[in-house]
This record gives sequence, C-alpha cells and structure tokens, in this order.
Amino acid sequence: AQTVTQSQPEMSVQEAETVTLSCTYDTSESDYYLFWYKQPPSRQMILVIRQEAYKQQNATENRFSVNFQKAAKSFSLKISDSQLGDAAMYFCAYRSANDMRFGAGTRLTVKP
Amino acid sequence: ETGVTQTPRHLVMGMTNKKSLKCEQHLGHNAMYWYKQSAKKPLELMFVYSLEERVENNSVPSRFSPECPNSSHLFLHLHTLQPEDSALYLCASSQDRGPLYEQYFGPGTRLTVT
Repeated sequence: AQTVTQSQPEMSVQEAETVTLSCTYDTSESDYYLFWYKQPPSRQMILVIRQEAYKQQNATENRFSVNFQKAAKSFSLKISDSQLGDAAMYFCAYRSANDMRFGAGTRLTVKP
Repeated sequence: ETGVTQTPRHLVMGMTNKKSLKCEQHLGHNAMYWYKQSAKKPLELMFVYSLEERVENNSVPSRFSPECPNSSHLFLHLHTLQPEDSALYLCASSQDRGPLYEQYFGPGTRLTVT
C-alpha cells in the first residue's frame, strides 16, 4: 500500500513570509496524482493545488506552489506572502486508479 | 459553500444505539465517498460509491453500513459502535471516481460514542 508522510505536525509562519510544508510518499505506480488540501478550523476541506505525476512542471495557484521531485518522491507545498486566512490543517494526498491515501496533516499557524 | 452538506453536524450515541449519518451533494457528481478522520491520524477512506454502486470497501467493520439510494444522497448507518469509532466523519463527492477528479468535501459529522 502506498504511504504518505508529512513529517511536520505543526508549523508556524509570520504574516507576509513564506513557508514550506513537506510531504513524501511511497509508490510503485507510475501514473498518479498528488494533492494538497486545506482544512480550516470550520472543518470543510478544500483543494489547494494538484500535480499530475506525468508533468515535470511544478503546479502553481496564485500564492501556492509545489516542488515536485518525482525521483525523490517528494511533494512540498510553498505558501508565499502568508495571510492570516492561511491558518489551517494541510493534508497531502496521493491518488491513483487503485489507491487513495492522505498524510496525517500539518497544522499551520500564521502569526500577525 | 462546496455543495456538499452533512447532517447531523454533531452526534453523541451509546454503544447500543442505531443512528445514521446523511450526506447530500448538489453538484451533479457521480461518485461519493465516506472518510473517517481521527486526531493526528491520516484520513481513512471507508467507502466509495460510483453511480450508486459501491466500488470500494476498505476493510471497514460491519457495524458501519453505507447506503446510496441515488447519486445525490449517501448514508452511513451505524450500530453497536465502539468508543474508538469516535471521530469526524467526512463525506465527499467528485464528478467521477477517477484520480483526475477533484473531491469536494462536506463539513463533517463529529461523532462521539459513549
């Protein structure tokens, strides 16, 4: 079974600064997708960004970008110009045709 | 508003009770999911329905019984639960069940088993 590891249970960042959340995964499959989800304190989880494994170019969505290292099986999330509304739990997720796994999450605190 | 609603939002039940969780999606999606979210643990996928047919059941105990009467509604029937079943239960939907499709999550039901 594929595993997804988020090694940072908690992270904090100063407002307007940049923070990087780590995620590694284990798989023997070649075709898969990686996701970062955000779960604010209100609990409704939303998609932040998605990366297709076959694409070499790193995905970017406004202030959110990823560093996808396929050989190293690493998928980190970079949040630039952090805002108070970015405070949440962030989950890394792996999906393939055969499997779907989430990491345990990283709690991000944004300090004003 | 993600278009996925769940009721109730909070539920406290005894181990001998029978209760049901309800999920409704207003997005016209074909796939629906139940997840269990426990503190400091990865989200666990429980069941997947595609076009009202159960396509995945990830070794979930039989005290959890899903039902999908149509593509918009998903239920999780609970009976004879254990205290370790206390968790946040999340429902999600997607256009299709393939990995390409984004999942939209509901707000969850916080379940406490006493």
